[in-house]
Amino acid sequence: QVQLVESGGGVVQRGRSLRLSCAASGFTFRSYGMNWVRQAPGKGLEWVAVISFDGSTEYYADSVKGRFTISRDNSKNTVYLQMNSLRPEDTAVYYCARPRVPLGDAFDIWGQGTMVTVSS
Amino acid sequence: QSALTQPASVSGSPGQSITISCTGSSSDVGGYNSVSWYQQHPGKAPKLMIYDVSNRPSGVSNRFSGSKSGNTASLTISGLQAEDEADYYCNSYTSSSTYVFGTGTKVTVL
Repeated sequence: QVQLVESGGGVVQRGRSLRLSCAASGFTFRSYGMNWVRQAPGKGLEWVAVISFDGSTEYYADSVKGRFTISRDNSKNTVYLQMNSLRPEDTAVYYCARPRVPLGDAFDIWGQGTMVTVSS
Repeated sequence: QSALTQPASVSGSPGQSITISCTGSSSDVGGYNSVSWYQQHPGKAPKLMIYDVSNRPSGVSNRFSGSKSGNTASLTISGLQAEDEADYYCNSYTSSSTYVFGTGTKVTVL
């Protein structure tokens, strides 16, 4: 079945780095753009980044621009989020999300999320 | 990239209808028909309820409907049921080729 599984979360000190992975299965991964969305404890959803189907284009939320990098490996059906210079306000559950159709703007497949805690 | 504005909470009795608003600008909600709505129960991943302003994915109850007027989108839940109690978020594509979520609305079934 169509599935996204995130990994790589954990506890990290302020200023350090962490790389999240999202493994996809059950669909033609190389045809879809992929997104990362996060949710701080008790707070709302925040869109983080998107990468095009072929990895040629990336866009970021202002809050992470210059610190986070989204990338993908279509041979491994995996999308990544490299997070550098982490701040306490980056503490959140991080979800990867797939659009409903390859060029669509609505996210219909979500992973279970991976928790990132940045300690000060 | 300011979050879209939603009411913090909306409540209704079983069987009633409620509407959640989502206000943005001409750079997001008003400029594109790429508004979607998500339902999130505690501890769970969000679930897509409406896409492209007013379309329902397969499997989503027809009690959920969406619309848009100018810079404000709306989600209506008719025939409110206990299982509809959850947090709801709108989302829009933006003129910067990014996406922005709403502030979220907690729906309570009285």
